[in-house]
Order: sequence, then C-alpha cells, then structure tokens
Amino acid sequence: AQSVTQLDSQVPVFEEAPVELRCNYSSSVSVYLFWYVQYPNQGLQLLLKYLSGSTLVKGINGFEAEFNKSQTSFHLRKPSVHISDTAEYFCAVSSGGYQKVTFGTGTKLQVIP
Amino acid sequence: DVKVTQSSRYLVKRTGEKVFLECVQDMDHENMFWYRQDPGLGLRLIYFSYDVKMKEKGDIPEGYSVSREKKERFSLILESASTNQTSMYLCASSFSGYTEAFFGQGTRLTVV
Repeated sequence: AQSVTQLDSQVPVFEEAPVELRCNYSSSVSVYLFWYVQYPNQGLQLLLKYLSGSTLVKGINGFEAEFNKSQTSFHLRKPSVHISDTAEYFCAVSSGGYQKVTFGTGTKLQVIP
Repeated sequence: DVKVTQSSRYLVKRTGEKVFLECVQDMDHENMFWYRQDPGLGLRLIYFSYDVKMKEKGDIPEGYSVSREKKERFSLILESASTNQTSMYLCASSFSGYTEAFFGQGTRLTVV
C-alpha cells in the first residue's frame, strides 16, 4: 500500500520570503510523485512531477521539488512567494500503470502582504 | 487543452434521492477517477476506471457506484443520498499511472 503525509496543514509566509511545503511518502515499489495546486473554487492543476532521472524537478510558477529516496520525501520549495501563490497544495504518489493515485491531506499556503 | 467537464458546479439534493454526477473528458484518456474532497482529509478516492466497463473500488466506495459505458464518460451514482455525502466531488482523468491527472472544476453537493 502507498501513502502520503503532509504534516503541515497551514503555512503562513510573508510575501517575497522563501517557502518549503513538506511531503513524505511510503510505498513498497517504485513511485511517481506529483505536486498539485488548487486555487479557491477550482479543480487541481499540476505544478510538477517526478517520474525518473534528475532528483531536482522544476515546475510552473517558479516552484521546484527534490526527490529524496533515502528520506522518502518530495518537498516543494519556492525561493520567493507572491500573493498569487495563496492556494492549497497537494502531494500525490502513484505506483504507475493501472495503479491509483494517492493524495495527501493538503497544505494551505497563506501569503501575507 | 485537455478538458474534464463535470455536469454541475453546485447541486442540492434531498436525503434518499438518487444522484448522478457526470464527468466527460476529451483527451481519450484510459483512466478516470472520482474523488471526494473534505476539509482536513484531502482527496479520497471513491472509484476509478482504467477502461470502458471496468471499475475498481477506491478507499471509500461505500454508498457509491459508478458507470463507464463510453471511454470519455464516467458517472458517479449515489443510490440513496445521505447528509454525510455532502462534499466536494472531483473527477479526474489520466492517460496512465505514469502521467499527471487532469481535474474537473468540481461539484459541490449538498444533501439536506
């Protein structure tokens, strides 16, 4: 079975400050990892994904994440946040093929002016 | 652009009613999913389908059923709606488990 843990339910941060949203996963097989963002009253959209290769993955809107197999983590980072980054962020894991995608409980990022 | 369309943004139903939530995707994706989103619980998988007429139970299938008669359409059915099924329902599709899922805008269902 696979699972995802997002320990921080809310993260407040001042505008232009850096931010890290934490994600840890567990799986008995190789995994594929995703970060999604959900703006208010909208569906989810993909920020970035790790399938294989370089462990540092760059996504849209200046976000990046690093896959760390030994620590089973896939933390999301941005060096300088903007007001428009205020949203809920979900980490997800899949074992590929016809396997389901499992989501974390989400982290609400609140950017303070 | 990939588009996943859910038939309603907001829906209000009475307890005991049969409820249909419809989802259509236009990218010929193999996989389709129904999730339920509740505050503090994230997205929980209700059912998924990896082919026409195929379905697999997710983590919380009780009280729900699904139908996939055509590749592009995946329906979620609440046989007898109850108040604890008041929630946001999200449909998604993907080409495979190796690719990202594309989500609809969601249906906020209220059961009174």
